[in-house]
Amino acid sequence: DIQMTQSPSSLSASVGDRVTITCRASQSISTFLNWYQQKPGKSPKLLISTASRLQSGVPSRFSGSGSGTDFNVTITSLQPEDFATYYCQQGYGVPLTFGGGTKVEIK
Amino acid sequence: QLQLVESGGGVVQPGRSLRLSCAASGFSFSSYPMHWVRQAPGKGLEWVAVISYNGADIYYADSVKGRFAVSRDNSKNTLYLQLISLSSEDTALYYCARAADYDFLAGFDHWGQGTLVTVSS
Repeated sequence: DIQMTQSPSSLSASVGDRVTITCRASQSISTFLNWYQQKPGKSPKLLISTASRLQSGVPSRFSGSGSGTDFNVTITSLQPEDFATYYCQQGYGVPLTFGGGTKVEIK
Repeated sequence: QLQLVESGGGVVQPGRSLRLSCAASGFSFSSYPMHWVRQAPGKGLEWVAVISYNGADIYYADSVKGRFAVSRDNSKNTLYLQLISLSSEDTALYYCARAADYDFLAGFDHWGQGTLVTVSS
């Protein structure tokens, strides 16, 4: 199985900060990497697919990059509605696997 | 408007069974692979199973293989998950999710609100 490791597991940031979350795969997954945002009590929302493709309606302050085993999602100017937990997920093969999540909290 | 509505969750004793349903609307259900993903209370996301658009291909997480069975009825636009031999480790919110593309390895672009399964004596 492909293991997905996110870092950090949590972070505190202020509105307007630039935030980067990292995801590492245990083997190369090309760009078969997706990012989700989950707010408390809500279902996850797909933000970015295939490492860098922003989903329709997702603000342009979000961006994704990476290939192979190392990936990032960056929020260029953190907004109040961005405080949430973020998950990466590999779509290279079954079983599909998620990272452990990164909780972005208000400083 | 695309909707996925799960049902069938509840409190069940260890070793018992349960069947979850996911009613889909607002899109061509029979064209898309569908997934089940679960989330234990306060924990992260865990993929459970996927079924191809026509039911011909099915894959499971190792943690549920042999105990859970996914199926679909395209005439009813409904996805199912049969859970048997339940243990406390199966306690979770169970989401159904649509594959983001016709490829079941694509991400999950629409999610239901989830149905809670609690395994407790």
